[in-house]
Amino acid sequence: SYDLAQPPSVSVSPGQTASLTCSGDELGSKYVSWYQQKPGQSPVLVIYQDSRRPSGIPERFSGSNSGNTATLTISGTQAMDESDYYCQTWDNRTVVFGGGTKLTVL
Amino acid sequence: EVQLLESGGGLVQPGGSLRLSCTTSGFVFKAYALSWVRQAPGKGLEWVSVIGTTGDSPYYADSVKGRFTVSRDNSKTTIYLQMNSLRDEDTALYYCAKGGEPGYSSAWYIDSWGQGTLLAVSS
Repeated sequence: SYDLAQPPSVSVSPGQTASLTCSGDELGSKYVSWYQQKPGQSPVLVIYQDSRRPSGIPERFSGSNSGNTATLTISGTQAMDESDYYCQTWDNRTVVFGGGTKLTVL
Repeated sequence: EVQLLESGGGLVQPGGSLRLSCTTSGFVFKAYALSWVRQAPGKGLEWVSVIGTTGDSPYYADSVKGRFTVSRDNSKTTIYLQMNSLRDEDTALYYCAKGGEPGYSSAWYIDSWGQGTLLAVSS
C-alpha cells in the first residue's frame, strides 16, 4: 500500500511562512490535495491538484509537488490558520491520506 | 449549496452490523463519485471507500474490505455504507464526502464533507 508521511507538528510565528510537507514514493507523479481541519469541525479543502486553490481560500495558501515531496505553504500565517492539515492522493484505486500535521501559530 | 447529511450511527456490539446513509443535495448527484472517510477519536483521517457514478466500481481500504459495502441510489441522491462484522477499531466519526470533479481519476479530491455520524463499537 502507498504511504504518505507528514511531520506530526509544525510551529510558526504569526506573519511568518509555514511550510508543511507530505512525502511519498514518486509523489511528484501524482496529484496531491490538502485539507484543513479545526477541532470539532469537518475538513475543508484548501489546495487540490497540487497547487490549485478553491474559491474562498485565501491567497496565502499555496501548494507545490515535485520529486517525493509535496508542500503546503502558508504565507503570512495568521492565528486562524492554526489547525490540523492533511495531504491526500490517489494510488492504485485507493484514496490515501497522510497522518496529518498540527500547525501551531505562536 | 452542496449538502451532505450522514445518519445511522450508533452503539453496536463487536461482530454486529449497521448501515450508514448519506443524503445529499445541491449538485448533480449522478455525476460525482462519493466517498466515506472516518476519523477515530483523536486520530487522523482514514479513507474507507469510494463509489463511482454508476455504483459498479467501488473501492475499499484494506481495513474494511470484505466487511463493508458501499452503494448508491441515484434516484434518492443517497449513498450507503453497510458495515458488517464490526470491530472495536471501527469506532470513529464517519464522514460522507463528495468528489471535486465529475467521475473519478488519479486527480480525484474531495471538495465537500458532511458533518459526520458517530459509530461506537463496544460490548
